[in-house]
Amino acid sequence: DTQMTQSPSSVSASVGDRVTITCRASQGIGSWLAWYQQKPGKAPKVLIYATSTLQTGVSSRFSGSGSGTDFTLTISSLQPEDFATYYCQQANNFPWTFGQGTKVEIK
Amino acid sequence: QVQLQESGPGLVKPSETLSLTCTVSGGSVSSPSYYWNWIRQPPGKGLEWIGCIYYSGSTNYNPSLKSRVTISVDKSKNQFSLKLSSVTAADTAVYYCARYRSGIDYWGQGTLVTVSS
Repeated sequence: DTQMTQSPSSVSASVGDRVTITCRASQGIGSWLAWYQQKPGKAPKVLIYATSTLQTGVSSRFSGSGSGTDFTLTISSLQPEDFATYYCQQANNFPWTFGQGTKVEIK
Repeated sequence: QVQLQESGPGLVKPSETLSLTCTVSGGSVSSPSYYWNWIRQPPGKGLEWIGCIYYSGSTNYNPSLKSRVTISVDKSKNQFSLKLSSVTAADTAVYYCARYRSGIDYWGQGTLVTVSS
């Protein structure tokens, strides 16, 4: 299985801050990486797929980059609605796997 | 607008089989463009991919659950289903059905399944 390791596990930030979340794969996954946002009691929502492609309707303050084993999700200017948990997920090979999540909290 | 809706018992006894169905509207499980997935999330924990089915009927499962999982599709009803046998308390989770294209772009609302006697 391809293990996905996110860091940090949690981050405290203020509105307007730039936030970066990292996801490392235990083996190369090409560009088959997606990022999801989940709020309490809700299903996850895809933000970015194929490493850097913004899902339709998602704010451009979210961006993704990386390749191979190292990937990054950046929120350029944190907004109140961005406080949530974020997950990466690889779809390069089965079984598909998720990172353990990064909780973005209000500072 | 694509919608997915999980249905099934919210309480299952230990050692029994968990059975859930996902009804898809606004899209077709017969389309070759998508994988149809089951994903679960234990209370307070992260996401675990259970497995998926393609329109052809081919399946892929998480090896950690493979011996207990069956995913099937009913094209006539535009549904796909999950069966998880020999459940224990560790299988208590919110179960989501979801569609994958380039990312998992549509999710059901999730259904909590509790394993308890």
